[in-house]
Amino acid sequence: DAGVTQSPTHLIKTRGQQVTLRCSPISGHKSVSWYQQVLGQGPQFIFQYYEKEERGRGNFPDRFSARQFPNYSSELNVNALLLGDSALYLCASSLSYEQYFGPGTRLTVT
Amino acid sequence: KQEVTQIPAALSVPEGENLVLNCSFTDSAIYNLQWFRQDPGKGLTSLLLIQSSQREQTSGRLNASLDKSSGRSTLYIAASQPGDSATYLCASPAGQGGKLIFGQGTELSVKP
Repeated sequence: DAGVTQSPTHLIKTRGQQVTLRCSPISGHKSVSWYQQVLGQGPQFIFQYYEKEERGRGNFPDRFSARQFPNYSSELNVNALLLGDSALYLCASSLSYEQYFGPGTRLTVT
Repeated sequence: KQEVTQIPAALSVPEGENLVLNCSFTDSAIYNLQWFRQDPGKGLTSLLLIQSSQREQTSGRLNASLDKSSGRSTLYIAASQPGDSATYLCASPAGQGGKLIFGQGTELSVKP
């Protein structure tokens, strides 16, 4: 079975622009979570979705939003990009307790 | 509020050495603890998950333990190999939800 997939792999955007990142969970997994990882730090929780409903939100500004689709895939949107949004964005899916992560999307804001 | 700490931030060992990576957490009412491996610029690979009712889990050369009373988990790597070089992260959920709280990671380098 395929693992968690994310697209695109890399992305370069300019300050003020908007970006959409995509995630497809492992087949059968209904929960998707998003994390931001800046260099040298552990991932920070952004959102969790389960059955298309938001189940948790981390300490991120309203510029960050997400949604989950009927097929359980998910999108993370970030508006009005800042230089500090440059990071590796990770998506994780889970069936129960254990979370499985995708390869991430590297976002660079210039 | 759960906080997770990993010390040291970096560790270098010669090939073949047995080693222990440490993870500390503040909330002993822990549901589980998960260990991950991360290669540079890549996603996280789940290594082991220990439920709160368990004391340890083993997978190949890896053994993870959980001591809730002391707020500690350790990841033991036997007979280390250069291919084990990576950053190792531990994480615990904040409550019953899906939000994982991560440590800062320990960057392991195994020298041939």
